[in-house]
This record gives sequence, structure tokens and C-alpha cells, in this order.
Amino acid sequence: LAKTTQPISMDSYEGQEVNITCSHNNIATNDYITWYQQFPSQGPRFIIQGYKTKVTNEVASLFIPADRKSSTLSLPRVSLSDTAVYYCLVGDGPGSSNTGKLIFGQGTTLQVKP
Amino acid sequence: SQTIHQWPATLVQPVGSPLSLECTVEGTSNPNLYWYRQAAGRGLQLLFYSVGIGQISSEVPQNLSASRPQDRQFILSSKKLLLSDSGFYLCAWRSRSRHEQFFGPGTRLTVL
Repeated sequence: LAKTTQPISMDSYEGQEVNITCSHNNIATNDYITWYQQFPSQGPRFIIQGYKTKVTNEVASLFIPADRKSSTLSLPRVSLSDTAVYYCLVGDGPGSSNTGKLIFGQGTTLQVKP
Repeated sequence: SQTIHQWPATLVQPVGSPLSLECTVEGTSNPNLYWYRQAAGRGLQLLFYSVGIGQISSEVPQNLSASRPQDRQFILSSKKLLLSDSGFYLCAWRSRSRHEQFFGPGTRLTVL
């Protein structure tokens, strides 16, 4: 499983767009890129997943360049409730023949200020 | 819809005592199951995962063990707890056809 590197912490203000970049230089061909959000004393919650190019859902966008060696999670117009730890992971894609192992790094602690 | 349960929510145990944490999943069949531990202020560490009944893979050497006696039941155990076993234990499941993992509410374990 590819190792990921992301900033330990970031600060932002309410209403701003936040971009968190993750490096995964050794990503394998069948690896998907997934981002999770974790609040204190709760389990992580899935935010978004992608394989290449751009993925968008109701809460975030995920940008993946052609070489897939990095990815950027974009949170539009953050609020105080977006203060959390954000994890970037790479791992096995969907399918019945894989373990689905995900290796969590330290994550990025995002602090949104009023 | 699918739900995942963990109990107990909190636990305080003396050093050297046994441990049994239980995790059950409802609303799905043949899930992949995972146990993670999170020390204070740290990221999640994958401890065990299981792709089927009786199939357990260990990720780190430790005094913990896991078992999967039923398809949707995953148990984390220890014969003798250490101080270093304190932490937040999370169980997660994943469907074979999807990528995302869904986490339970967690158990806060304090070993004194």
C-alpha cells in the first residue's frame, strides 16, 4: 500500500475554500484515493473517493492529476463545523478479490476560525 | 440500511485483566471487517482485518487477538492488558463491491 504525505495542520476562516494536498508517489495501478473526515471521539467518515481526474459530490471535490502521484481535496466555503482531521488514503479498489486494507497516516488537522 | 454496533462505549480495566470488545454489523452480508486503534492525538492503526468467518489477518505484533465467529461479528480480545493498550478502538466494515469503510462509534479503553 502506498504511503501518503499531507500537511499536519491547516488554518482557515469561515466561508473560504480549503484545499488539502496529499502526496502518494508510489501509488499502484489499482489503488483508489479516498479521503475521510474525523471529529474527536468519533470514527472517521468517508468524504470522497476517486481514481483519476476530478470527482465532485455534495460536500467536496477531489482533483487527481494524470500521474496520480498526488491529490487535492477541496472543501468549498468551510464553516466552523468543518474543523476536523482529514485523512488521505490509497488502497485497494472495489471488488471481491481484495482485502480493502486502508493505511491511515497522521492526517491534516483543519482549524476553521470565525 | 446498514448499521454497525460496538460495545461497550467506554471501559476502564486494570493492567493484567482480560479484554473482550464486540462489534456487529447489520443489514449486509459477507462484509470485510476491521479493527483499528487510535492513541490520543494520533492517527488510526490497523490491527486486524477479516475477509470471512474464521479468517483473521494481523497487521501488528501485539498481545491482542481477533476472532470472527459469525459473518457479521468481530471480536477483539486480550488475555492480559498492558498500559499501552489504552486507546480508542474502532471497528469498521466494507462491502466487497464498494471502497469506503464505515466505522462504528468506538470503544474508549483506559488501562490503569
